[in-house]
Amino acid sequence: QSVLTQPPSASGTPGQRVTISCSGSSSNIGRNGVNWYQQLPGTAPKLLIYSNNQRPSGVPDRISGSKSGTSASLAISGLQSEDEADYYCSVWDDSLNGRVFGGGTKLTVL
Amino acid sequence: QVQLQESGPGLVKPSETLSLTCIVSGGSISSYYWTWIRQPPGKGLEWIGYIYYSGSTSYNPSLKSRVTISVDTSKNQFSLKLNSVTAADTAVYFCAGFCSGGSCPDHWGQGTLVTVSS
Repeated sequence: QSVLTQPPSASGTPGQRVTISCSGSSSNIGRNGVNWYQQLPGTAPKLLIYSNNQRPSGVPDRISGSKSGTSASLAISGLQSEDEADYYCSVWDDSLNGRVFGGGTKLTVL
Repeated sequence: QVQLQESGPGLVKPSETLSLTCIVSGGSISSYYWTWIRQPPGKGLEWIGYIYYSGSTSYNPSLKSRVTISVDTSKNQFSLKLNSVTAADTAVYFCAGFCSGGSCPDHWGQGTLVTVSS
C-alpha cells in the first residue's frame, strides 16, 4: 500500500481536460514539493512537473500541477492519444526520511 | 544536460548480491542526491535510497538491512548493492539524481532489468 493515494484509473476523450489526484499527509505533501511523472510502457518515468507546479523544459503548458494542503493534482488539457500512459506522483516524506510514490494512475484516452 | 546510465548483471541468483553502477555525465556529482529506485514488473515505483557526494545516505526502512549505496566522485559514478536477494527483488532498477528540496528538475537513467533466478 502506497503512502500517497492516487486513483488507479482515469479516462477522457481527445480534447478533454482530465485531472489526477494525489493524497498524502502533513509529513509529505503538506511540507514538500510534489513531482509528477508520465511513464510509457517499457520506458523510464518522464518528469512532467516538479516543485508542485513547475514544468521542465519541453513539457507543454497544457500540463499543469497544483497543491492544496496535503493533496496535489495533475491536470492535462487538450487530451491527446499520446497522453495514454501511467502517471505517478512523488514527494519527500520527512517522517520516513525518504521519497515516496503514489501507486500510479493509468490514463486511458477513449 | 545530466545523463545517467545504469550497468550491471541482468541475472542474479537467489541469496546472492545484486550490484549495479550508475555513471553520471553532463553534470557535477556534487550537485544532486544520487538515488536508486526500482519497479517490479507490472507494479509501481519504490524508492531504495540515496547518497550525497559527501557520503551521507538514507535508505528505505524496508530494505535498509540489505542495502548499501556508495559514491566514487573521481569516476562520477555511484553504486547499489542489495544483499540476500530473492525473487521479490526482481525489478527494473533506475538510478536518478534529485536536487535539494526538489527545487530543480530531477534526472533519471533508462533503467535496467534485474532478474533473480537460479
